Amino acid sequence: GQNIDQPTEMTATEGAIVQINCTYQTSGFNGLFWYQQHAGEAPTFLSYNVLDGLEEKGRFSSFLSRSKGYSYLLLKELQMKDSASYLCAVRDWTGANNLFFGTGTRLTVIP
Amino acid sequence: DGGITQSPKYLFRKEGQNVTLSCEQNLNHDAMYWYRQDPGQGLRLIYYSQIVNDFQKGDIAEGYSVSREKKESFPLTVTSAQKNPTAFYLCASSIGRETPNQPQHFGDGTRLSIL
Repeated sequence: GQNIDQPTEMTATEGAIVQINCTYQTSGFNGLFWYQQHAGEAPTFLSYNVLDGLEEKGRFSSFLSRSKGYSYLLLKELQMKDSASYLCAVRDWTGANNLFFGTGTRLTVIP
Repeated sequence: DGGITQSPKYLFRKEGQNVTLSCEQNLNHDAMYWYRQDPGQGLRLIYYSQIVNDFQKGDIAEGYSVSREKKESFPLTVTSAQKNPTAFYLCASSIGRETPNQPQHFGDGTRLSIL
């Protein structure tokens, strides 16, 4: 089976840095994705990790440690438009290579 | 522009009625998926299709049915057997299972409510 945990809500200040954690337990790990979802809208792809380490994409970075079953999404220079839910999803090859999603972390950016 | 189109954006169902949600993609993707999203829960997989004329049940397929007669289209029918259909339904597509590093792309969703 699959178990993916992330905090339910976080609040951070505009211009600051925030780290959103995700821990997972899967039978056949085959990659981890982060998505951003504004309320009532489609999730949009942010990042992908399959090997240990940090992937950087502008203001967003994602880190993976496969031995610890742990990932985080780092958002720098926060902007008001970053207020959204952030979804962690793990691909499991024992589950037909489908994605299994955490409940999402709702981030609120305050002035 | 390529993308995934879901329709309608809002849908209301009466008791005992079947309703069909449309999902069309012009990304030339082989794989398509249907998810259900409820408050406080992660996306849950209803059905998926890796290729035309083939589809598989996901984690919560009971009360739902799908078809995949064309590569571009993957409609979802919510039957009267689904006793708690009120939710936000998301359709997604990806290149295919042979490219696991490629993300799924999502449509804008259909919000289904019971009258």
